[in-house]
Order: sequence, then C-alpha cells, then structure tokens
Amino acid sequence: GQQVMQIPQYQHVQEGEDFTTYCNSSTTLSNIQWYKQRPGGHPVFLIQLVKSGEVKKQKRLTFQFGEAKKNSSLHITATQTTDVGTYFCAGPGGSQGNLIFGKGTKLSVKP
Amino acid sequence: GAGVSQTPSNKVTEKGKYVELRCDPISGHTALYWYRQSLGQGPEFLIYFQGTGAADDSGLPNDRFFAVRPEGSVSTLKIQRTERGDSAVYLCASSWSYTDTQYFGPGTRLTVL
Repeated sequence: GQQVMQIPQYQHVQEGEDFTTYCNSSTTLSNIQWYKQRPGGHPVFLIQLVKSGEVKKQKRLTFQFGEAKKNSSLHITATQTTDVGTYFCAGPGGSQGNLIFGKGTKLSVKP
Repeated sequence: GAGVSQTPSNKVTEKGKYVELRCDPISGHTALYWYRQSLGQGPEFLIYFQGTGAADDSGLPNDRFFAVRPEGSVSTLKIQRTERGDSAVYLCASSWSYTDTQYFGPGTRLTVL
C-alpha cells in the first residue's frame, strides 16, 4: 500500500542552527500537508502544498513540493527553542478523507 | 470558537473490557476523522465520516472497533474486548469537507492493562 517516509527520525540541533526534514511518498500525491506536534500535544496543521515544484514560506519555515509530487521538504532557518516538536508530513490516501502520515521527525533544540 | 474536544482525556481499562471514546467536532464541520497514534509513530487513519455516514472505514483494524456519528456531529469510537495492543492515543479531527484542513483534538490516551 501507499507509504509516506520521513527522514531523519530525530534531529538534535543547537539553537540558531538550521534544520531540514524530508518526506518521500511511494506514489504521486495530489497534495502534501505538514503538521507540527509539540510534546504531549496534538498535530497542528502548518501548510498544504498542491502544485508541482511549489515553495511556500512561513517566517523561518520553508516548504517545498517536488517536481514529481512524490517528495517534500521542510526547512527551518535559525531554529529556536519554540520549534521543538515532531514534524509530520501527510498525503491523501487511497480514498477521500484518508490521510497517510509519515513517522515524523522529532526536533530537539539545545539553547 | 471552540476546537475539537475529546473525552475522556485518559482512559485506563482492563483487557477484555469495552470502552467508548467521544469526539465533539468543531461546530459546522461535516467531515470527522478518527486516527490512532502509537508512541513514536505518526497518526494512523481509522475511519472517516461525511455527515452521519462512514465514508471510509478501511482503517479499522478489526471488527472489535466500531464508530458512529448518529446526528452528524458528535462521534463515538467503540472498542470491544480491548487488548493490550489497543493502547495508544486516539485522535479525532474534523474539517468543513474532506478537501479542507483537518483540525485535531487533544486525543484520548487509552491504556489497556
């Protein structure tokens, strides 16, 4: 079945360093979504990418959707302690409403 | 306005017991989803409702799991004869429609002893 894979599983950075997480799908996606889950919290929607090659920015966060619409990345510039959490990518599953999530990348930031 | 709410926040039960988990979606959202999240994993899709009907229940692991949404608002996830492997955080999400952003609730942490 359809799979969404993320790397790395964990990332430890010093505050101020950059961070990137990568997402790959086994199938072409109509869109890809990114969520952030703080420790002990629930997933919070960050952004959705729809177009091939799309790049979107939210302050220090840059999201990219690959040309083939099978991969995506999230890059955080100059991390802050508030960026701590697990970042998930998710793509539509085989039916309406069904989201397939990656395992996430857990980011820790050392002050 | 209020977000998605889930009750209880924590549920501890014994193997073999029956449990019900409740989700109250954002008012007006017609789509409602249940996911299950195990430690260190991403949310795993269980079932999706559009209105009162289950549009996709392909993620339910077996026939011990059942969910209803009788009036198109509140939903209840029911688990019969619970097993230790059912222990996880059960997340509910809702959206205006299946193409729209899904908003997650805080989850119910189920522990089966």
